[in-house]
Amino acid sequence: NAGVMQNPRHLVRRRGQEARLRCSPMKGHSHVYWYRQLPEEGLKFMVYLQKENIIDESGMPKERFSAEFPKEGPSILRIQQVVRGDSAAYFCASSLLAAGYTFGSGTRLTVV
Amino acid sequence: SQQGEEDPQALSIQEGENATMNCSYKTSINNLQWYRQNSGRGLVHLILIRSNEREKHSGRLRVTLDTSKKSSSLLITASRAADTASYFCATDEETSGSRLTFGEGTQLTVNP
Repeated sequence: NAGVMQNPRHLVRRRGQEARLRCSPMKGHSHVYWYRQLPEEGLKFMVYLQKENIIDESGMPKERFSAEFPKEGPSILRIQQVVRGDSAAYFCASSLLAAGYTFGSGTRLTVV
Repeated sequence: SQQGEEDPQALSIQEGENATMNCSYKTSINNLQWYRQNSGRGLVHLILIRSNEREKHSGRLRVTLDTSKKSSSLLITASRAADTASYFCATDEETSGSRLTFGEGTQLTVNP
């Protein structure tokens, strides 16, 4: 069991480019959560998805950010037209029954 | 102030000493979890305590929960240099639909 796999581990984008972050949940897990961590801060909830459904996106910025968890394949967090303030660590977690999270190692996005 | 606030923000102790970190929260919860994060790394789940539990142990870790005061503490006994990390509490609120709300963390440094 490989755990929650996130890639890439590090991503550098220029301002205005798109960033695509991938998360493969643990085998059998159908609940995926995305969190963002700014430097020296705790994690902030962004979005909660189940297969093909967004359950709670109350933590997502209104513009430029979107997330999906298709029937097949990993969950994707997409950030369009990135700005310097998007630089952060983005963590994905998965669970089987909406409890008992397992976190991935995160993707560290740097916008230059 | 936010749900899930830890104190102190930073703690520096000598190897062999005990380390106590506190967490306060505001709303009713299903459970409270403690996580550890080494610098630049992902989160490692340490322990979960449910709202109907008062104390839980796991190895050198002891967690208490006081729902009347909406607070929790994490005690690490006989600390080691390898315990140096940031420690976060996270609450699973009753009305949150299973997303976690993290505090800002306590940075623990254990000096050899």
